[in-house]
Amino acid sequence: AQTVTQSQPEMSVQEAETVTLSCTYDTSENNYYLFWYKQPPSRQMILVIRQEAYKQQNATENRFSVNFQKAAKSFSLKISDSQLGDTAMYFCAFNRKGAQKLVFGQGTRLTINP
Amino acid sequence: DTAVSQTPKYLVTQMGNDKSIKCEQNLGHDTMYWYKQDSKKFLKIMFSYNNKELIINETVPNRFSPKSPDKAHLNLHINSLELGDSAVYFCASTYRKGGGEETQYFGPGTRLLVL
Repeated sequence: AQTVTQSQPEMSVQEAETVTLSCTYDTSENNYYLFWYKQPPSRQMILVIRQEAYKQQNATENRFSVNFQKAAKSFSLKISDSQLGDTAMYFCAFNRKGAQKLVFGQGTRLTINP
Repeated sequence: DTAVSQTPKYLVTQMGNDKSIKCEQNLGHDTMYWYKQDSKKFLKIMFSYNNKELIINETVPNRFSPKSPDKAHLNLHINSLELGDSAVYFCASTYRKGGGEETQYFGPGTRLLVL
């Protein structure tokens, strides 16, 4: 069974700083997807970024980028120029192609301080 | 133009009652899900439906019965509610036919509190 581990329960940085959230996963599959979701206090689950395992190029979405290391089974999220609105729980998730379910990490609570 | 909607957003009820949560998506997706988020924020799949057919039942008690009247709707009925059922329940959907992108889009969640 696949597992996803987020080793940082909480992180806190100052506004405008860059922060990196860690995620590792365990799988024997070769064809899968990785996601970062953001859950602000409103509790809505918002997709931040998505990476297909067969793509070597790291995904980017504006201030959000990932460092995908397939051999190391690592999928970290970098937030540049952090903003107060980035304060949220961040979840890393794994989906084996065709598996029909997301496997989530435990989450990292990120606080951006003014 | 809400993509995935759930009703109600909040549900407070007594132990032993029966309650339902409704989910609708207007994204044209063919697969819908129910996830449970516990008090420690851990998210876990409960059910998955593809074209109204149950695909995944992740060892959920029989008291939970999902129903999908059509591809756009997936409802969750819970019988004989217990204290441990208190959680946030998320509906999600995705498009899988023909190798769809498999990104899941979530509803706003329903916070269930059993007293």
